[in-house]
Amino acid sequence: DAKTTQPPSMDCAEGRAANLPCNHSTISGNEYVYWYRQIHSQGPQYIIHGLKNNETNEMASLIITEDRKSSTLILPHATLRDTAVYYCIVRGPGANNLFFGTGTRLTVIP
Amino acid sequence: GAVVSQHPSRVICKSGTSVKIECRSLDFQATTMFWYRQFPKKSLMLMATSNEGSKATYEQGVEKDKFLINHASLTLSTLTVTSAHPEDSSFYICSAYMTSGSLNEQFFGPGTRLTVL
Repeated sequence: DAKTTQPPSMDCAEGRAANLPCNHSTISGNEYVYWYRQIHSQGPQYIIHGLKNNETNEMASLIITEDRKSSTLILPHATLRDTAVYYCIVRGPGANNLFFGTGTRLTVIP
Repeated sequence: GAVVSQHPSRVICKSGTSVKIECRSLDFQATTMFWYRQFPKKSLMLMATSNEGSKATYEQGVEKDKFLINHASLTLSTLTVTSAHPEDSSFYICSAYMTSGSLNEQFFGPGTRLTVL
């Protein structure tokens, strides 16, 4: 699976959009981009995933660049409960395991 | 949504004792479950893949005789930390792999915090 690079930490003001970048320049054509988050002392929570097209669900939007070498997770209106570590993971279609990198620690500030 | 539970949520034990952690998929069947370990301020590290009815597959560097995994049914996997020592103190998280139609995803349990004195 391709390696991902994320900034170690970010701050975001409550109510503003949080944009979390991820670099996956070695991604293969059939590998998906997944985002999970982990709130302190809890198990990871699935957020969203995508292959090529931008995706949106009730939690977030995922913007994948045309060359697929990077992506951005967008939390449109961050709340204090969104404070967590966010993990960007690249996974092949046939793989069912996940390898977590170091993630981005997002702190939402009141 | 798919729910995965773990029991216990936290355990404190003496050095040399064995501790069993249960992972259950509550509303779906999972032929594959995963066990992760997470040290403070570190990321999750995959320990092993648990397959129902067969032996677990361990990641490099994980001692299979120390971390015994049993996946006896489609809804239950157990991790036993044998002869636990203080360095085994960690946050242990399981996940269950759900396949249903076009959905193929991992759902995580809430974790078990193990403290070995």
